[in-house]
Amino acid sequence: QKEVEQDPGPLSVPEGAIVSLNCTYSNSAFQYFMWYRQYSRKGPELLMYTYSSGNKEDGRFTAQVDKSSKYISLFIRDSQPSDSATYLCAMSGQDTGRRALTFGSGTRLQVQP
Amino acid sequence: GAGVSQSPSNKVTEKGKDVELRCDPISGHTALYWYRQSLGQGLEFLIYFQGNSAPDKSGLPSDRFSAERTGGSVSTLTIQRTQQEDSAVYLCASSPGSGRGSPLHFGNGTRLTVT
Repeated sequence: QKEVEQDPGPLSVPEGAIVSLNCTYSNSAFQYFMWYRQYSRKGPELLMYTYSSGNKEDGRFTAQVDKSSKYISLFIRDSQPSDSATYLCAMSGQDTGRRALTFGSGTRLQVQP
Repeated sequence: GAGVSQSPSNKVTEKGKDVELRCDPISGHTALYWYRQSLGQGLEFLIYFQGNSAPDKSGLPSDRFSAERTGGSVSTLTIQRTQQEDSAVYLCASSPGSGRGSPLHFGNGTRLTVT
């Protein structure tokens, strides 16, 4: 079993829809949670960053972390065709024994105009 | 430059040949990472450099893989005697801090194809 699980999709939604992307994880030592967006043939770019449990909002994007359930989510409101990309969750922690981020496998999102 | 720069962007090589991939991190970033991304897979950690400390090589898949970072800046990832399973996108990232919560800034990768 992978340490971080993420549904690969693809997820296809109409423009304007609310999108929910999720990851589950098994290592309770994870404290820092990030979402990266990756366009085709580009490197991942940081989209959202949260520490520990709670919500964080930035424009149309909201990140949620539920450490008790080991579950994180990214919500995209009023989705646009330009949001079509692969979304990767990533996480790390002080007591994980490693400095590198652990990534999910990514969910491919397609927003249809 | 403004971002992490990787070269070449694409590399096709024959099985058994050696390849070198280059990464130029963001100026002033002390941490540098190499990841590998295979089709449909997540990012697989390869190696991590932080300042003058010994690198964390725990993710290197075999002794055919090695990396160095000269002068705390440019890094080179070398794959010797390439195999077809080495075909992937090799991503380099840098970070301004050494903390485990420091976000990474990625380059656009080198797409390696071994024929």
